[in-house]
Amino acid sequence: DGGITQSPKYLFRKEGQNVTLSCEQNLNHDAMYWYRQDPGQGLRLIYYSQIVNDFQKGDIAEGYSVSREKKESFPLTVTSAQKNPTAFYLCASSAQLDSQTQYFGPGTRLLVL
Amino acid sequence: KQEVTQIPAALSVPEGENLVLNCSFTDSAIYNLQWFRQDPGKGLTSLLLIQSSQREQTSGRLNASLDKSSGRSTLYIAASQPGDSATYLCAVAGGTSYGKLTFGQGTILTVHP
Repeated sequence: DGGITQSPKYLFRKEGQNVTLSCEQNLNHDAMYWYRQDPGQGLRLIYYSQIVNDFQKGDIAEGYSVSREKKESFPLTVTSAQKNPTAFYLCASSAQLDSQTQYFGPGTRLLVL
Repeated sequence: KQEVTQIPAALSVPEGENLVLNCSFTDSAIYNLQWFRQDPGKGLTSLLLIQSSQREQTSGRLNASLDKSSGRSTLYIAASQPGDSATYLCAVAGGTSYGKLTFGQGTILTVHP
């Protein structure tokens, strides 16, 4: 059963803490993306990766970091430098960066304690 | 910089009504436009994709049109059902890569029995 999984569904962060959101895909896609969604707003691109060991900043990369050591995995770390991390985080993938269809995971909701 | 706006922000209709959701974008140099559906607390599901050279796409009760020169797209839903209740997002692909999508803020649709 192919698709994109994100974990956990809910994540709580304490002040000054780094937290990591998981994204895994078994679609054999080269490109992967991280988006942030705030209430009443559309999705904004945080980081994207065209291929293993490569990633580029999106529109709102400050306070976030990523890695792409394996084709199927693209974890996102929300660092303590991100002052307003409360949001819904969505991971997506596509066959290549120029593919026209992106497939989305179910999302992780990050809350600050 | 591309900006995408969706009107209305929210819409409530009785079951069986035909309805139109609107999307406008500021830069007409797009590769394609997509409409997505998002259920509460879930990821996105692609509904329709219109290439920049196309005028419309249809899938079942859904019809999406594109007028690239005026920067507008509409999503028409025929004979609405309570199961159509969701947030509908439009996104345009442009710039140097198909993969970088710019999203509107969404229209929250409620279809009541």
